Amino acid sequence: AQTVTQSQPEMSVQEAETVTLSCTYDTSESNYYLFWYKQPPSRQMILVIRQEAYKQQNATENRFSVNFQKAAKSFSLKISDSQLGDTAMYFCAFPGGNDMRFGAGTRLTVKP
Amino acid sequence: DTGVSQDPRHKITKRGQNVTFRCDPISEHNRLYWYRQTLGQGPEFLTYFQNEAQLEKSRLLSDRFSAERPKGSFSTLEIQRTEQGDSAMYLCASSHGPDRRRDTQYFGPGTRLTVL
Repeated sequence: AQTVTQSQPEMSVQEAETVTLSCTYDTSESNYYLFWYKQPPSRQMILVIRQEAYKQQNATENRFSVNFQKAAKSFSLKISDSQLGDTAMYFCAFPGGNDMRFGAGTRLTVKP
Repeated sequence: DTGVSQDPRHKITKRGQNVTFRCDPISEHNRLYWYRQTLGQGPEFLTYFQNEAQLEKSRLLSDRFSAERPKGSFSTLEIQRTEQGDSAMYLCASSHGPDRRRDTQYFGPGTRLTVL
């Protein structure tokens, strides 16, 4: 079975600091993609960052970067210089088989 | 580009009633997805359309659920004989691109269903 696990239900960080959200997954595929989506309170889910498994270089989008460890099947999200607007649920997602599998999410609160 | 829209945003119904939700994807997107999200959980895949063809359907989708996407544009999700366990947020997403696995999915705001 292809699964996605987020082991941190809640996290908090002070504004301007760095935080890392964890995600592990399970697959037998060799070429795939991994995603982090953000769901702000009462707002639509949006893509944060995407990683292609065949690329060894970790993806980066402004203050967001990933630490992709293919052998360990680990895909963590690092948020640098946290801002109040980063407060949201963060979901790790993996298109396993014919559907998109989401983790249970991590609720991140950025404190002023 | 107005984004993905869903209607209604909220629906309260009594157990046993039928409900229908509508999703309007981004106009050039050929792929459309329905998900169900319960409180504190990630979205669970329900079904997937490519143009007007329903290509995938989760085992979570009981016979009381049906989805359509006539003409490959908007989509409807109908739940017949609703049960309290159907209470959830129903999300729609759309995408396009040469590789479905690589696509960014654009989500709508969701329809929150409460079954009394």
